[in-house]
Amino acid sequence: GDSVTQMEGPVTLSEEAFLTINCTYTATGYPSLFWYVQYPGEGLQLLLKATKADDKGSNKGFEATYRKETTSFHLEKGSVQVSDSAVYFCALGGETGANNLFFGTGTRLTVIP
Amino acid sequence: DTGVSQNPRHKITKRGQNVTFRCDPISEHNRLYWYRQTLGQGPEFLTYFQNEAQLEKSRLLSDRFSAERPKGSFSTLEIQRTEQGDSAMYLCASSKTDRAAQHFGDGTRLSIL
Repeated sequence: GDSVTQMEGPVTLSEEAFLTINCTYTATGYPSLFWYVQYPGEGLQLLLKATKADDKGSNKGFEATYRKETTSFHLEKGSVQVSDSAVYFCALGGETGANNLFFGTGTRLTVIP
Repeated sequence: DTGVSQNPRHKITKRGQNVTFRCDPISEHNRLYWYRQTLGQGPEFLTYFQNEAQLEKSRLLSDRFSAERPKGSFSTLEIQRTEQGDSAMYLCASSKTDRAAQHFGDGTRLSIL
């Protein structure tokens, strides 16, 4: 069945460091891929998405490219800030039917000044 | 766009009691989803509505769980005879189309004493 494997955390980085959070998926067909972020005390927010192979999603300095050949959707940011501290979830949306999301286990990022 | 609204934010109840949660989706969204999130895990799909029709249910949704969406607007999720294992965050999400991003509410945290 459809599933997402996400890099385990927690991840601690210094401000302005480069961030990569790995995400790989297993799916039939051509799913949509998403990154959601959960800031402390808040609900899940959509960070970025890509709906087909080679699409690049981007938002707030974060980027992820839908790589069908490696079944990956790694999240990257060139220079993290303290305000980026949060839990990041990779998610896969099915191609047909309910299109419910399959989530990874989440990666907690802490950015220290 | 006022976002997805969930009530209550927190619910504490004794084992064996019934509880009901409410979700108000974004007004023009005809798709509504319920997820459950336990500590340290990503959300897991429970059930899905398109308008008033409940079209898919996860095997996680035991017969103690029931969800409704009368008139295709707000939705309720009821858990009967609650058990310790039901303690979790219950999340509601809505979307406009089948491959559109889902927008999440802040969730209802259920604690079973």
